[in-house]
Amino acid sequence: EPEVTQTPSHQVTQMGQEVILRCVPISNHLYFYWYRQILGQKVEFLVSFYNNEISEKSEIFDDQFSVERPDGSNFTLKIRSTKLEDSAMYFCASSRRDVNEKLFFGSGTQLSVL
Amino acid sequence: GESVGLHLPTLSVQEGDNSIINCAYSNSASDYFIWYKQESGKGPQFIIDIRSNMDKRQGQRVTVLLNKTVKHLSLQIAATQPGDSAVYFCAETGGSYIPTFGRGTSLIVHP
Repeated sequence: EPEVTQTPSHQVTQMGQEVILRCVPISNHLYFYWYRQILGQKVEFLVSFYNNEISEKSEIFDDQFSVERPDGSNFTLKIRSTKLEDSAMYFCASSRRDVNEKLFFGSGTQLSVL
Repeated sequence: GESVGLHLPTLSVQEGDNSIINCAYSNSASDYFIWYKQESGKGPQFIIDIRSNMDKRQGQRVTVLLNKTVKHLSLQIAATQPGDSAVYFCAETGGSYIPTFGRGTSLIVHP
């Protein structure tokens, strides 16, 4: 069964450093998403991406965040200058279409900012 | 503001029992609901979904019930197994197509 893959599984960084989280969505999916989950809390939406541009973003997704689809398979989330509160599990997801469609999630990248 | 929430943060059951996980939503425009299962160290995994024009949908050992009158959603798991132990999230879409997740219920199945 096709799946969303994320790398790395764990990322430790110093506060103020840039990190790039990588995702390979399911190949025939057109919509891509990033969510995050702070330990013990709910899964929070960050951003959705379609046709090489951001289609929707949350208040969390400020100027420190950016997303990119650098080629036909990868989808990345960049945090320019990490803060302690960015420590969380980051999930990538993809779907075939937007409306009333289930999302397929990757296993996540655990980001720890020290 | 509009929100999706869960009544019980933790549910403990015996193996073989039926489990019921509840979810309340407040966005009356929600028209699509999804239940996800999240095992430790993994991403949310789709279990079952239901659209607002239905009030019940069944899958393999799982049933989702939707009561639009009181804005309530439930997930029933029949003959719960240890492998069902996980955190269960309800998510809804309405207005925006972006699924909004509730806080989650931890299901613990005792052998």
